[in-house]
Amino acid sequence: EVRLVESGGGLVQPGGSLRLSCEASGFTLSSFSMNWVRQTPGKGLEWVSYISGSSYNIYYGDSVKGRFTISRDNAKNSVYLQMDSLRVEDTAVYFCARETNWGLGLDFWGQGALVTVFS
Amino acid sequence: QAGLTQLPSVSAALGQTATLTCTGYGDIIAVKGATWLQQRQGLPPRLLSSRNDKRPSGISERFSASRSGNTASLTISGLQAEDEATYYCSSWDTNFNAWVFGGGTRLSVL
Repeated sequence: EVRLVESGGGLVQPGGSLRLSCEASGFTLSSFSMNWVRQTPGKGLEWVSYISGSSYNIYYGDSVKGRFTISRDNAKNSVYLQMDSLRVEDTAVYFCARETNWGLGLDFWGQGALVTVFS
Repeated sequence: QAGLTQLPSVSAALGQTATLTCTGYGDIIAVKGATWLQQRQGLPPRLLSSRNDKRPSGISERFSASRSGNTASLTISGLQAEDEATYYCSSWDTNFNAWVFGGGTRLSVL
């Protein structure tokens, strides 16, 4: 069974940092690209970042570029999102999502980790 | 990065058919297709259909995706109470190397 479990969310003040982790199980992580997607409470979905299976390709959304860093450790079955210079508007539930082969969709999602940036 | 356009809400009666639409910018849907995701209250999104309009394993045949030009559609037949949820479309923007999402359509089953 494919499982994605996020951790590392919490409360932080503006300008602070948090590191989210996504632990994967039930599949070979290195064979899949992974994404982070966030959702502001009561609002829609916003794509945050992408990392290919080998980490060769990495992309970011405009709103987080230069502040967030995605990485992965396939040996530890984990994907990470280092979030620096956090802003109030970064408050959201952050989902880790697996991408299908050929990038046809995001087929498995974790339960999400809540990040609250408060002043 | 621009977003895809969806109606905020749609309602349909139990047992009937609902059709949700998603309009892309430029030719994004015409070229890259669209995925559909279902999100029930308090749960993560679930993939209903991939960019090639195919259902992942385990998704009911009641969910059918299609596209015409730069508009994608999700048709849900034989509506059930459990179909009440928010539905998101998404696609891959190769110009920005980014997944883009629609604002979501809240489906109410009457």
